[in-house]
Amino acid sequence: SQTIHQWPATLVQPVGSPLSLECTVEGTSNPNLYWYRQAAGRGLQLLFYSVGIGQISSEVPQNLSASRPQDRQFILSSKKLLLSDSGFYLCAWSVLSGGDGYTFGSGTRLTVV
Amino acid sequence: GQQLNQSPQSMFIQEGEDVSMNCTSSSIFNTWLWYKQDPGEGPVLLIALYKAGELTSNGRLTAQFGITRKDSFLNISASIPSDVGIYFCAAAGANNLFFGTGTRLTVIP
Repeated sequence: SQTIHQWPATLVQPVGSPLSLECTVEGTSNPNLYWYRQAAGRGLQLLFYSVGIGQISSEVPQNLSASRPQDRQFILSSKKLLLSDSGFYLCAWSVLSGGDGYTFGSGTRLTVV
Repeated sequence: GQQLNQSPQSMFIQEGEDVSMNCTSSSIFNTWLWYKQDPGEGPVLLIALYKAGELTSNGRLTAQFGITRKDSFLNISASIPSDVGIYFCAAAGANNLFFGTGTRLTVIP
């Protein structure tokens, strides 16, 4: 069966520090991968998606970047965090079409102080 | 981008009451899905709908795919405290999924 792992679960980082969040998927090949951000109590904002290794599409210009160094690994990064980067970050995967929905990881709560 | 209008934005109900929420779009979709997000967790798929007019149940949850393919609703019967969370509708486009803005449900014991 397919599983998705996301870590860390919580993170407190100072302003200006770098960020690296990792997401891995097991039990499937060539998944579509997604990074979402959710502000407190609000909806899901799509940040990046990837349909293959090295292929990244950015939905929202911002202080963040994403990389997909391996088929089932998706990384969210920042060189210098801003206070506004605080939020709940969710990784998700889907089969190519997305018509069967996305499977989400358990999320990372990032607090920038 | 596509927009899904989900309502209500939040609900406060007494335990045992029924709940209804809906999602509309100006575009036609071939798949509608409903997710629930528990506090501090990622959303989990509740129900998937693949055919216009389809009515599908999952325990106390019932969801329908609107006949126009532009809307869907979710009903929860006899709510219990663990129903608390944020419910998201989602509709599948060609290569991605569009999410509604969520309905925050609070159940008062």
